[in-house]
Amino acid sequence: AQSVTQLDSQVPVFEEAPVELRCNYSSSVSVYLFWYVQYPNQGLQLLLKYLSGSTLVKGINGFEAEFNKSQTSFHLRKPSVHISDTAEYFCAVSGSQGGSEKLVFGKGTKLTVNP
Amino acid sequence: DAGVIQSPRHEVTEMGQEVTLRCKPISGHNSLFWYRQTMMRGLELLIYFNNNVPIDDSGMPEDRFSAKMPNASFSTLKIQPSEPRDSAVYFCASRPIAGGPGGELFFGEGSRLTVL
Repeated sequence: AQSVTQLDSQVPVFEEAPVELRCNYSSSVSVYLFWYVQYPNQGLQLLLKYLSGSTLVKGINGFEAEFNKSQTSFHLRKPSVHISDTAEYFCAVSGSQGGSEKLVFGKGTKLTVNP
Repeated sequence: DAGVIQSPRHEVTEMGQEVTLRCKPISGHNSLFWYRQTMMRGLELLIYFNNNVPIDDSGMPEDRFSAKMPNASFSTLKIQPSEPRDSAVYFCASRPIAGGPGGELFFGEGSRLTVL
């Protein structure tokens, strides 16, 4: 079974500052990794995903994440945040093999961007 | 194209009442997932279907919860009888099976349930 730990429940930052949201996962099999974003009163939307290949993955809205297998991490970064990035961010993991289609989410990190 | 459609968006009911939440997946998506979101437990997978067949219901909390998918365009999640601890936002999500576990999940806007 897979599990995800998001190390920070809340991250406040100032506009135009860089941000890193941390995610660690646990799995006995090879995995696919995802970051989703949830704006207030909305469903989740995919930001980016890692399936294979390059460990640096670029997503929408200027976000990127790096897969580190040895540290079982998939941290999300943005070099300069905007007020509109204020949202909750969820890291998620699924097994990469057939029969492991469940997507397991972390508890989320609330990013608040202040002016 | 319409996304995943959930109804009702908000439901307030009293303890002991039956609650039915509805979901219409994106046309052509043959995997459907029900999640529950609470402050304490985050996003929990309740059950998922492939081609209208329940594959894994290990996340369904107890017998009071049931889910059905009578056809490719409709699913229900029923709680009977409801309890205050069922208060949460319930999300439905869908994706094509062909994408496998690496495929993007498309979420509805959720149904916020309050049980008094």
